[in-house]
Amino acid sequence: GQQVMQIPQYQHVQEGEDFTTYCNSSTTLSNIQWYKQRPGGHPVFLIQLVKSGEVKKQKRLTFQFGEAKKNSSLHITATQTTDVGTYFCAAEGNRDDKIIFGKGTRLHILP
Amino acid sequence: DAGVIQSPRHEVTEMGQEVTLRCKPISGHNSLFWYRQTMMRGLELLIYFNNNVPIDDSGMPEDRFSAKMPNASFSTLKIQPSEPRDSAVYFCASSLVEGQFFGPGTRLTVL
Repeated sequence: GQQVMQIPQYQHVQEGEDFTTYCNSSTTLSNIQWYKQRPGGHPVFLIQLVKSGEVKKQKRLTFQFGEAKKNSSLHITATQTTDVGTYFCAAEGNRDDKIIFGKGTRLHILP
Repeated sequence: DAGVIQSPRHEVTEMGQEVTLRCKPISGHNSLFWYRQTMMRGLELLIYFNNNVPIDDSGMPEDRFSAKMPNASFSTLKIQPSEPRDSAVYFCASSLVEGQFFGPGTRLTVL
């Protein structure tokens, strides 16, 4: 069945440094979504990518969808303490509407 | 818009008791999802509905779990009988076109 691998599991960065999390699927995806969950909170939808090679930006966040539609990345430029949380990718396969969440990358910012 | 509403926010019960979690999706959304989140297993999809009809319940752990959606504005997740290993945060999410919108979750503790 469809699997979604997300790396790294944890990331500690100094405030101001960049951060990237990667999401990889074993199958071609229909689309991929990214979510952020603050400690003690609930996942919050950030963005959806649909097209091969698509790149979208939200302020300091850059989202990419691979050309083969099997991988994606989220890059944060110049991290701030407000970026703390767990970032999840969620992949929707081509064959059904089921969305599979990755295990998430927990980002910790060192002041 | 009030967002997705879940109740109760916290539930502490004893092993063997019945637990009912409730969810009110965002008005107009036609898909509803139930998730369970634990440190060990991450975010797991239990079941999802489309237009009040259960589409995929393959994530429901066992027969002790059941979910219903009697109308477009209400869903329940029931655990009977509950066991300590059911302790987790249970999220309800709804969607229409793009992205899932999560409720605040119910933190369930089974003693």
